[in-house]
Amino acid sequence: KQEVTQIPAALSVPEGENLVLNCSFTDSAIYNLQWFRQDPGKGLTSLLLIQSSQREQTSGRLNASLDKSSGRSTLYIAASQPGDSATYLCAAPYSGGGADGLTFGKGTHLIIQP
Amino acid sequence: DAGITQSPRHKVTETGTPVTLRCHQTENHRYMYWYRQDPGHGLRLIHYSYGVKDTDKGEVSDGYSVSRSKTEDFLLTLESATSSQTSVYFCAISESTLQELFFGEGSRLTVL
Repeated sequence: KQEVTQIPAALSVPEGENLVLNCSFTDSAIYNLQWFRQDPGKGLTSLLLIQSSQREQTSGRLNASLDKSSGRSTLYIAASQPGDSATYLCAAPYSGGGADGLTFGKGTHLIIQP
Repeated sequence: DAGITQSPRHKVTETGTPVTLRCHQTENHRYMYWYRQDPGHGLRLIHYSYGVKDTDKGEVSDGYSVSRSKTEDFLLTLESATSSQTSVYFCAISESTLQELFFGEGSRLTVL
């Protein structure tokens, strides 16, 4: 059974800082890993999907890395802005193929102070 | 944004009553999922579908049933709602197991 852990659970930093969110998973036989953002009272928004053949994926100020051998992924946010404040969730497939959905971490609640 | 509509968005009901939540997609994606999100537990998979009339159980399926008679609709039914089923329910879709998972806006259910 896949288990996903995210550290830290909460993070508060001043605007402009670069920061790293961490995600670890127990079953490394995954095809991909996905990062999401969730604003209060809203659904999840997909940020980045990293295939197992990739080591990194970038979108704007976001960069996600994947290291299957160590069971870790990181989400790097450059030049943070107050609008980045949200909960960030990491998710990996229940099983390698992923047909039976994703297992989610409990998220990192991020606050960017103006 | 992926075309996913959940209904109702908010519902208050009493213990023992049946409840059906609907997820409608306009993307023609094969896979559809129902999750619940609770403080302290995060997101947990209830049921999923990998095609019309093809469904399977997830991690927390007890007390829930699903149906998918058309590609675009995935229904979640609570036959007899209990207070422990008070939660926010999210529908998600995916074109394939290698593609992104997209979520609806959620349905907040309160069982009194």
